Amino acid sequence: AQKVTQAQTEISVVEKEDVTLDCVYETRDTTYYLFWYKQPPSGELVFLIRRNSFDEQNEISGRYSWNFQKSTSSFNFTITASQVVDSAVYFCALSEIAFNKFYFGSGTKLNVKP
Amino acid sequence: SQTIHQWPATLVQPVGSPLSLECTVEGTSNPNLYWYRQAAGRGLQLLFYSVGIGQISSEVPQNLSASRPQDRQFILSSKKLLLSDSGFYLCALQAGGPYEQYFGPGTRLTVT
Repeated sequence: AQKVTQAQTEISVVEKEDVTLDCVYETRDTTYYLFWYKQPPSGELVFLIRRNSFDEQNEISGRYSWNFQKSTSSFNFTITASQVVDSAVYFCALSEIAFNKFYFGSGTKLNVKP
Repeated sequence: SQTIHQWPATLVQPVGSPLSLECTVEGTSNPNLYWYRQAAGRGLQLLFYSVGIGQISSEVPQNLSASRPQDRQFILSSKKLLLSDSGFYLCALQAGGPYEQYFGPGTRLTVT
């Protein structure tokens, strides 16, 4: 069965600290996609990144970076030099090819304090 | 670009009353459409998804139903609301393939 686990329910950091959000997934599919979304206090989910199961190259976008390790079924998200505006709930998700369904983790609430 | 509209933005309804939430999308044709519910402080629960007009798949048996009368319209309904139906309802679209879903602004429903 497909499952996404975000073990960190809530994390608090002080501005400018680096923070890593963990995501571990389970799937029997050999081809799948992984995603990260941000949900600010307004509620609307914002897409951040998509990775497919064949591309384990790490990605960096500004202060954001993602580490995909198939061997450990993990897709972790790091924010460097965090800012107050990064405060939000972050969701990791897994998508199968066949059914176009997403499996979301339970989310990690990030509090960045000034 | 794709745009998702949801209304109403907020809703307060008494227990036992009916419900109709509407989602319309622009900028894409024949999208997959999804209804999610997020209870306070919780993750996202997939309720329904649709791959085309009149095609609805239900993920969680409950007193809610969904319909897709037009390609770009997705409606979530209930004949009698329960207290447990309170939550934040999000509509999402996926424009083909197992790619990212885009989410609407959501409807915050409080059942009293």
